[in-house]
Amino acid sequence: GDSVTQMEGPVTLSEEAFLTINCTYTATGYPSLFWYVQYPGEGLQLLLKATKADDKGSNKGFEATYRKETTSFHLEKGSVQVSDSAVYFCALDTGGFKTIFGAGTRLFVKA
Amino acid sequence: SAVISQKPSRDICQRGTSLTIQCQVDSQVTMMFWYRQQPGQSLTLIATANQGSEATYESGFVIDKFPISRPNLTFSTLTVSNMSPEDSSIYLCSVPIPGRTSYEQYFGPGTRLTVT
Repeated sequence: GDSVTQMEGPVTLSEEAFLTINCTYTATGYPSLFWYVQYPGEGLQLLLKATKADDKGSNKGFEATYRKETTSFHLEKGSVQVSDSAVYFCALDTGGFKTIFGAGTRLFVKA
Repeated sequence: SAVISQKPSRDICQRGTSLTIQCQVDSQVTMMFWYRQQPGQSLTLIATANQGSEATYESGFVIDKFPISRPNLTFSTLTVSNMSPEDSSIYLCSVPIPGRTSYEQYFGPGTRLTVT
């Protein structure tokens, strides 16, 4: 069945460091891919998305490129801030309205 | 987009009791989803709630334990029945909203449940 695998956390970085959180997926068909972020004590918010191969989603300095050949959708940010500390979820939607989530990766950013 | 609110935001309950969680959306939506997020874990879909029909439950979840109501297109409730400490989780509702090229899930802030 469809699934999402993302790197285990926690990831701890210093402020202004480069961030990569790896995400790979298994799906039949052509899914849409998403990154959601969950700040402490809050629900999930959509961070960015890509709906077809080679699309790049971007928001708030974060980027991810839909790579069909490697079935990946890695999240990157060039310079993280303390306020980016959160849990990040990679997810896919194959068109049936249901979203399949990865396990989540907790990011800590130290000042 | 959609704005979703949940009540209560958190609760501490005794085992054997039940808690009803409310989810309110600021627009009419056909489908609403209920998720459970156990401590340190990802989200697990409990059920899909459609207005005017019985909720559809995922494997491992049953109506007797998690009865759901969907009286109209903006509101749903999830009841956690006969609670045990294993039910301690965050419960989230979400709705799919069509974007320009795909649907996007909008989530409520969650209900943090602790069962003692």
